Amino acid sequence: QQPVQSPQAVILREGEDAVINCSSSKALYSVHWYRQKHGEAPVFLMILLKGGEQKGHDKISASFNEKKQQSSLYLTASQLSYSGTYFCGTGEYGNKLVFGAGTILRVKS
Amino acid sequence: DTGVSQNPRHKITKRGQNVTFRCDPISEHNRLYWYRQTLGQGPEFLTYFQNEAQLEKSRLLSDRFSAERPKGSFSTLEIQRTEQGDSAMYLCASSFSDIPSSLEELFFGSGTQLSVL
Repeated sequence: QQPVQSPQAVILREGEDAVINCSSSKALYSVHWYRQKHGEAPVFLMILLKGGEQKGHDKISASFNEKKQQSSLYLTASQLSYSGTYFCGTGEYGNKLVFGAGTILRVKS
Repeated sequence: DTGVSQNPRHKITKRGQNVTFRCDPISEHNRLYWYRQTLGQGPEFLTYFQNEAQLEKSRLLSDRFSAERPKGSFSTLEIQRTEQGDSAMYLCASSFSDIPSSLEELFFGSGTQLSVL
């Protein structure tokens, strides 16, 4: 079942912060975050596992609330390069990720 | 390392024709995935390989779709008797994992955009 992302779109000015949320009606084992720029491949940002283990880029932070079956991606001091569509994916293992519909982020100067 | 490579980048075909796409994963990666993405949606899992073995295929995938990964290197995805509903971006991704792991980072290619007229 596809996770639900919110907001659907957000516009920021450089330096502002944003939070992107991902929620599921099913119990989550892992949440994966990717960013895709128009016409390009999705790029890995972060993985969070039930139990607290995580893997990702130093400049990206995220949380995983197992009880609420939710994850949030925190983008602080946004830069123009942060613009793109952010997808969360859920699944038991690395394969068969079920992705949300995405959150479009636009950072303006 | 040039990343995951997909060819062609764009394919326009007429309804009823067969099409084949190719994916060259990162050389040391043993896992290869195919996803499909339509406008405004996230990637949708189609199938995946561990080396040359196709381990799983989406239940939603029509029998018109077939994928191969001979010798565990490149992979091909063929769609027979294409329909307009097949129009989408077809993404390939690869990773390295000895065991099923939720810490598995996927490296995506830029995709093949299929348009069925």
